[in-house]
Amino acid sequence: EVQLVQSGAEVKKPGESLKISCKVSGYTFSTYWIGWVRQTPGKGLEWMGVIYPGDSDTRYSPSFQGQVTISADKSISTAYLQWSSLKASDTAIYYCARRDGYSGYLYFDYWGQGTLVTVSS
Amino acid sequence: DIQMTQSPSSLSASIGDGVTITCRASQSISTYLNWYQQKPGKAPKLLIFAASSLQSGVPSRFSGSGSGTDFTLTISSLQPEDFATYYCQQSYSTPRRFGQGTKLEIK
Repeated sequence: EVQLVQSGAEVKKPGESLKISCKVSGYTFSTYWIGWVRQTPGKGLEWMGVIYPGDSDTRYSPSFQGQVTISADKSISTAYLQWSSLKASDTAIYYCARRDGYSGYLYFDYWGQGTLVTVSS
Repeated sequence: DIQMTQSPSSLSASIGDGVTITCRASQSISTYLNWYQQKPGKAPKLLIFAASSLQSGVPSRFSGSGSGTDFTLTISSLQPEDFATYYCQQSYSTPRRFGQGTKLEIK
């Protein structure tokens, strides 16, 4: 059974750093892209970027490039999303999801349960 | 970037009704369009990919159509578990944006 299990909710202050995780099981981690999606009440679902754990090839949305870092550790089948300096506007639910595809059509077929990040002074 | 616009933003319907949700892309995306369903407190769930291909395990009352810039998600006979928020997503180019969502509520 494919599972993506994310780390727990976080409460941070502006300027602090944070790294959240997404541990996968049930398939070969290094052979599927993993993506991160942000959800806020005001902006809905936002595609942040994806990583291919096999070689750490990473693609970012221009909106998130330079604002976050996506990484992966093949040895423990875990993907990460990290911030070096959080802002209040980073308050959101963050989902990881496995990206699959068929004949070039790409989609997120399995999702983590989400990690709520709250940034407040 | 390709922008995705859904309509309506919200919709009220009754059990057994058929409903259609529309998604429009700001430029042609061929059939590179996905639909997801999200219930409160849960992660999105893939319903349809490639505009009209039903994901395994999704009931056949869900169907998708369209190509180019205009797409529709149709639910043929609403069941209680279908009341949720629906999102389209283009998979044509990076960033693979989502629509703003359509909330389907019980009338």
